[in-house]
Formats: sequence, structure tokens, C-alpha cells
Amino acid sequence: GESVGLHLPTLSVQEGDNSIINCAYSNSASDYFIWYKQESGKGPQFIIDIRSNMDKRQGQRVTVLLNKTVKHLSLQIAATQPGDSAVYFCAETDTGSSNTGKLIFGQGTTLQVKP
Amino acid sequence: GAGVSQSPSNKVTEKGKDVELRCDPISGHTALYWYRQSLGQGLEFLIYFQGNSAPDKSGLPSDRFSAERTGGSVSTLTIQRTQQEDSAVYLCASSGIAAPKRRQYFGPGTRLTVT
Repeated sequence: GESVGLHLPTLSVQEGDNSIINCAYSNSASDYFIWYKQESGKGPQFIIDIRSNMDKRQGQRVTVLLNKTVKHLSLQIAATQPGDSAVYFCAETDTGSSNTGKLIFGQGTTLQVKP
Repeated sequence: GAGVSQSPSNKVTEKGKDVELRCDPISGHTALYWYRQSLGQGLEFLIYFQGNSAPDKSGLPSDRFSAERTGGSVSTLTIQRTQQEDSAVYLCASSGIAAPKRRQYFGPGTRLTVT
């Protein structure tokens, strides 16, 4: 069945270091991927997205890499700051015939930034 | 504000009671989604609206769950005869028809506790 999973439940990094959060997906038909950041007590906040016709996309301090061959997605955060501490979710959707856009989420990785 | 809003932010109810959760999407967004997030888990899709119609209800866990959307805007998720396993955070997201049309923006959620 479909699943989107994250490799590590918790990632601890030193302030100023780069963070890499990984995600694996199983549905080869998935063609749109999105990363969200969720702080305690809040809804998920959009970070960055990527379509399957790309393998890399950059935002402000964040980069998403997509490897369709091994069905792997990663989020890189440069110069991690204390405000980056949160749970990060990857999500995917297959914009195929059903075309509803519903997202399938992974379980989340907790990022802890040490001062 | 211009974001997705949800009310109430918290709801405590007794087992067996009915509850209604409200979502106000971003103005102009035609697509609306409901998700559920159990403690420490990822998000689980419930239902998708395009305008006032719901072409995908596949995530509703039982017939105690229903949702409607009126005027292509506000949506209400109703849970009848609540059970303890219904306790979770219920999140609403909306998406516009313009590119990037798959990007979903989430509200803060309603935390439901069934005692």
C-alpha cells in the first residue's frame, strides 16, 4: 500500500550546523511532494514543495532533493537556528486520475536544535 | 488575517455527544480538505471538497463522521455519538486553483477531547 515514511524520529543538531531530514515513499505514481513544519500546538506550516519533473528546489535556507529512482526525498536546512526546532513532515500526492490532491503524510521527524 | 481559521481551538465533550468543527478557508480557495492528527502521529486524510461537492470522502472513518460545505467557503465537520478514539486534532487545509494548485495551507486545528 501507499506509505510515506521518515528514516529517523528525532534529529538533534547544533545551532549553526546544517540539518538533513530524510523521507522515503512507496508510491511510484506520486508526482508532487511537500514539506511542512509543525510547531507544538500549531497547524502544519508550508516550507517547500517539488514536482516530480525536478530533482532539486531551493528556498530560503532550505533545499529539497528528490530521487525518484529510489523514491527518496530529503529536506536540507542550512545554518539551523533554534526557531527551526519543530516536527517536520513530508507528504506526497498522486495527481493522477482521482485528482483530488489529498496528501499522504509521513510520521514526522522531530528536529531539536541545541544552542 | 488571510489564513485558514478553525473554531473552536479546543473542544472537550462527553462520550456519546455530537460535535461540530468549523473551518474558514483562505478567501478564493475552492479546494478544502479535512485531516485528523492523533497524538504524535502524522496527518490522516478525511474528506476533500471542491466547491460545495465532496468527490472524495474515502478517509471518513465511520458513518458517524460527516461534513458539508456551503457557499463554496465555510465547512463544518460533524461527529455524531463521539467515542474516545475520536480524540485528536482535526486540521483543515485549503488550496487554490491557480498554480501551485496542490499547495495546501493549514489552519491551527481543533483539539477534540472525548471524555
